[in-house]
Amino acid sequence: VQVVESGGGLVQPGGSLRLSCAASGFIFSDYWMTWVRQAPGKGLEWVANIRDDGNEKYYLDSVKGRFTISRDDAERSLYLQMNSLRDEDTAVYYCARTPKGHCNGSTCWPNLKWFDLWGQGTLVTVSS
Amino acid sequence: IQMTQSPSSLSASVGDRVTITCRASLRINSHLNWYQQKPGKAPKVLIYAASTLQSGVPSRFSGSGSETDFILTISSLQPEDSAIYYCQQSYTIPHTFGQGTRLEIK
Repeated sequence: VQVVESGGGLVQPGGSLRLSCAASGFIFSDYWMTWVRQAPGKGLEWVANIRDDGNEKYYLDSVKGRFTISRDDAERSLYLQMNSLRDEDTAVYYCARTPKGHCNGSTCWPNLKWFDLWGQGTLVTVSS
Repeated sequence: IQMTQSPSSLSASVGDRVTITCRASLRINSHLNWYQQKPGKAPKVLIYAASTLQSGVPSRFSGSGSETDFILTISSLQPEDSAIYYCQQSYTIPHTFGQGTRLEIK
């Protein structure tokens, strides 16, 4: 059971990059998926997520219109197309499996999400 | 929603009881998760839904709270617990993280 990111690298400001996340060992199409990033020496930042059927997508305001999250369930893969990259997009990008919904006794939280499986991350460096 | 953790860092001894607090700027029900991150590694979920222990996580970790105030407790600190701990809310988009609490073992 794992997810493995790839596609990171050095890109100039204004450039583009496409990250991939390959899933194995679980039913990929059953899960929401999320991208989280971490700038060097900084904390974690949620970037985007996508519903299990691909029909809902949400983004951090600062990446809206520049980044596109997508998935291919047949390939068991998640993607992040990043355009118009800025210096502040420099970070390690993690792919995370995202279970949705939980019940504890008689109490249920149908929209609760958490990140229970993370990849090792892929480094994106935006610099001239 | 802003998530604020306290303290930002702490140092404790093996066997100590440690608590880390997370405060949400708006009510988030129990949509609160806790993660542990060790240097050079991906984060790992410890607690979700404020108080549910993730499978495989030692029982010395526990979570409590609801709405705006949450606590992560380590009942008896172990050397391997040296890490940065993050809270995260999934009540609204964006699913924001706290700034992190760095825990050092004395």
